[in-house]
Amino acid sequence: GIQVEQSPPDLILQEGANSTLRCNFSDSVNNLQWFHQNPWGQLINLFYIPSGTKQNGRLSATTVATERYSLLYISSSQTTDSGVYFCAVATGGFKTIFGAGTRLFVKA
Amino acid sequence: DAGVIQSPRHEVTEMGQEVTLRCKPISGHDYLFWYRQTMMRGLELLIYFNNNVPIDDSGMPEDRFSAKMPNASFSTLKIQPSEPRDSAVYFCASTGSSNYGYTFGSGTRLTVV
Repeated sequence: GIQVEQSPPDLILQEGANSTLRCNFSDSVNNLQWFHQNPWGQLINLFYIPSGTKQNGRLSATTVATERYSLLYISSSQTTDSGVYFCAVATGGFKTIFGAGTRLFVKA
Repeated sequence: DAGVIQSPRHEVTEMGQEVTLRCKPISGHDYLFWYRQTMMRGLELLIYFNNNVPIDDSGMPEDRFSAKMPNASFSTLKIQPSEPRDSAVYFCASTGSSNYGYTFGSGTRLTVV
């Protein structure tokens, strides 16, 4: 099956810093999503982005499908950005597989 | 919109007992997913439905697990008999055919002692 690798596994930032999270996948995908799991365990959909670039406030994402990677950018990080960021992909249909996640801690 | 609703939020049960987890998807969504999250294995897809029909159950760990979707607004995940290794957070999610962004419920934290 498809392999999904996220990097870095852990990241510590000072409030106000910028960061880039990466997701590599081993096969062509028809569905790619980014999620944030907050410290209370809630999973929030950030982007549906199988290709191209999207922006939502301080967050933006870019997927280069031909090179099999996606990037999530967080600008001017805040303590509320802390949690785990997951990349999830599907190669066909809706069988969506999650990566192991990047654990982010933003220090005040 | 109340979002995806799961119940119960927490469940503690003894080994060997039957456990039933419940999910109400967002109205109008025709895809429903059950995921399990553990520290060791991360988020695993167990099964998903389209228009109440199971499409892929290859992630269901064994015959002790079963899932049903009797109508568009309700699904259950049943474990019988439960074992300590089933302890995990079980999430339900839904989406519609025209929007592939998934909405997750708050999860059910299951502890089997």
